[in-house]
Amino acid sequence: GENVEQHPSTLSVQEGDSAVIKCTYSDSASNYFPWYKQELGKRPQLIIDIRSNVGEKKDQRIAVTLNKTAKHFSLHITETQPEDSAVYFCAASIRDDKIIFGKGTRLHILP
Amino acid sequence: EAGVTQFPSHSVIEKGQTVTLRCDPISGHDNLYWYRRVMGKEIKFLLHFVKESKQDESGMPNNRFLAERTGGTYSTLKVQPAELEDSGVYFCASSSFTEAFFGQGTRLTVV
Repeated sequence: GENVEQHPSTLSVQEGDSAVIKCTYSDSASNYFPWYKQELGKRPQLIIDIRSNVGEKKDQRIAVTLNKTAKHFSLHITETQPEDSAVYFCAASIRDDKIIFGKGTRLHILP
Repeated sequence: EAGVTQFPSHSVIEKGQTVTLRCDPISGHDNLYWYRRVMGKEIKFLLHFVKESKQDESGMPNNRFLAERTGGTYSTLKVQPAELEDSGVYFCASSSFTEAFFGQGTRLTVV
């Protein structure tokens, strides 16, 4: 079955710098890749998603890239701000079937 | 440590029938969240339990959906009567004070 690996598990970046979180998946049939952000004490929320027919998607300071050949996708946050501190989860879904989540990355934005 | 488990993994029912999905969170996790992904669309939040109380049920689509979490342990999501547009993947997550852990979802097919 599908397996999603997420790295790093913890990431600290200086405020204003960029942060990159990477995920790999095992099933080449995966076609939908959402990213979730969970702030402390709050529920996970969808922040951006990408489908397999697109290589990159951007929404303000957040972007996601997908490399289908290598079976990996990444979340990029530019000009990081304190409110970006949270746990981020990637996920992969196969043809509207099960959604497999990564184990999360705890992002710390340092002042 | 056991993860978040959901069952059944797949359910096929006829329109008008009733289906009950179950989510067993990680032991000790007070927070339990339900999400769903309807075919081809993004994942949508349904509701959030804190122990046995519904903290936020703003995402519940209509009164055909009933979620319960008796005793603050496992949760059930009942759909009655099921409609064709309810087909999709329903998944849950649980968390304590830190990051969430996700189940692998139940694929519901209404025919």
